[in-house]
Amino acid sequence: AQTVTQSQPEMSVQEAETVTLSCTYDTSESDYYLFWYKQPPSRQMILVIRQEAYKQQNATENRFSVNFQKAAKSFSLKISDSQLGDAAMYFCAYRRYTGTASKLTFGTGTRLQVTL
Amino acid sequence: ETGVTQTPRHLVMGMTNKKSLKCEQHLGHNAMYWYKQSAKKPLELMFVYSLEERVENNSVPSRFSPECPNSSHLFLHLHTLQPEDSALYLCASSKQGALYGANVLTFGAGSRLTVL
Repeated sequence: AQTVTQSQPEMSVQEAETVTLSCTYDTSESDYYLFWYKQPPSRQMILVIRQEAYKQQNATENRFSVNFQKAAKSFSLKISDSQLGDAAMYFCAYRRYTGTASKLTFGTGTRLQVTL
Repeated sequence: ETGVTQTPRHLVMGMTNKKSLKCEQHLGHNAMYWYKQSAKKPLELMFVYSLEERVENNSVPSRFSPECPNSSHLFLHLHTLQPEDSALYLCASSKQGALYGANVLTFGAGSRLTVL
């Protein structure tokens, strides 16, 4: 079974600075998807960024980018120019490449605090 | 508007009550999911419906009973719950099929359940 580990329960960053959230995972499969979701106080989980394991290029979405190290099974999220609205819980998630549905395996989350 | 609407947002019930959680999506998705989110634990996948058929039941106690009458609606019927069932219950949906790539999940804002 796949597992996802987020070793940082809480992180803090100053506004306009850069922060990196860590995620490692365990799988025996070679093809899969990885995701970062954000959950603000409103509780709705919002997709931040996704990565296909077969792509060597790291995904980027505006201020959000990932460092995907397939051999190390590491998938960290970098947030540049942090904003107050980035404060939220961040969840790393794994999904098999095939299957009848998009069943995600989540980590325990990292709470990000953004300070002035 | 998130695209996935969950009601009620908050629910308090006694252990002998019967209640239901409702989820609705009008995104044209054909798979729907129930996740349980408890503090400091990874999100737990409870049930998956794909094309209105239940394709996953992760050893969930029978006091939780899902229903998917059509591709737009998903219910979670609750009966004789225990205090440890108190959690945030998240509904999600996705578009399944080989043409849709990562089949990203879209989440609702959740129903916060408290069992007294």
